[in-house]
Amino acid sequence: DQQVKQNSPSLSVQEGRISILNCDYTNSMFDYFLWYKKYPAEGPTFLISISSIKDKNEDGRFTVFLNKSAKHLSLHIVPSQPGDSAVYFCAASLNNNDMRFGAGTRLTVKP
Amino acid sequence: SQTIHQWPATLVQPVGSPLSLECTVEGTSNPNLYWYRQAAGRGLQLLFYSVGIGQISSEVPQNLSASRPQDRQFILSSKKLLLSDSGFYLCAWNLGQSSYNEQFFGPGTRLTVL
Repeated sequence: DQQVKQNSPSLSVQEGRISILNCDYTNSMFDYFLWYKKYPAEGPTFLISISSIKDKNEDGRFTVFLNKSAKHLSLHIVPSQPGDSAVYFCAASLNNNDMRFGAGTRLTVKP
Repeated sequence: SQTIHQWPATLVQPVGSPLSLECTVEGTSNPNLYWYRQAAGRGLQLLFYSVGIGQISSEVPQNLSASRPQDRQFILSSKKLLLSDSGFYLCAWNLGQSSYNEQFFGPGTRLTVL
């Protein structure tokens, strides 16, 4: 039951350009969405989140956009840096104890 | 500040052997605790969560079990490991009941079942 989908397993961008990571979900009851960043052999770390009552949240170089009608959210990183290279997980929450994660997208930022 | 510990970092076990992974949280009280598994090429799958001592909720049927003997200790166990149990196991914690609280993950345990 894949309620959160990240259809692109990998993405490669040039340093300084924009990285756009996409996520789709099927359950319209999700009320909170999060992005996590994960380096190899480490646990994921929280990056940015958005409530379902908003359509945009910005934090420095990171912006998350939510399109509820399309059940789609995206993470924009501008400008991309080599240190951004990691696996990015999209997550959606029904409540505090039920968070669903996507399969992840591996971002590679080339110098 | 709060910290979360997991051990061991890596583990290689034969099929049919038992398993015990431990997770502890420091610097907070009464956290919600979670066990996730990341299998190769797949996302994070929630296995168990606990909102208090002795309270365990299971998300998927499997040969794994979890226990919370102390407020800040969460243990993942198995009596007999299967090949399909291989993966990266992550413990996480957060506080409160609001869905706006992100989870904080430990460093993970890489389990290989041979």
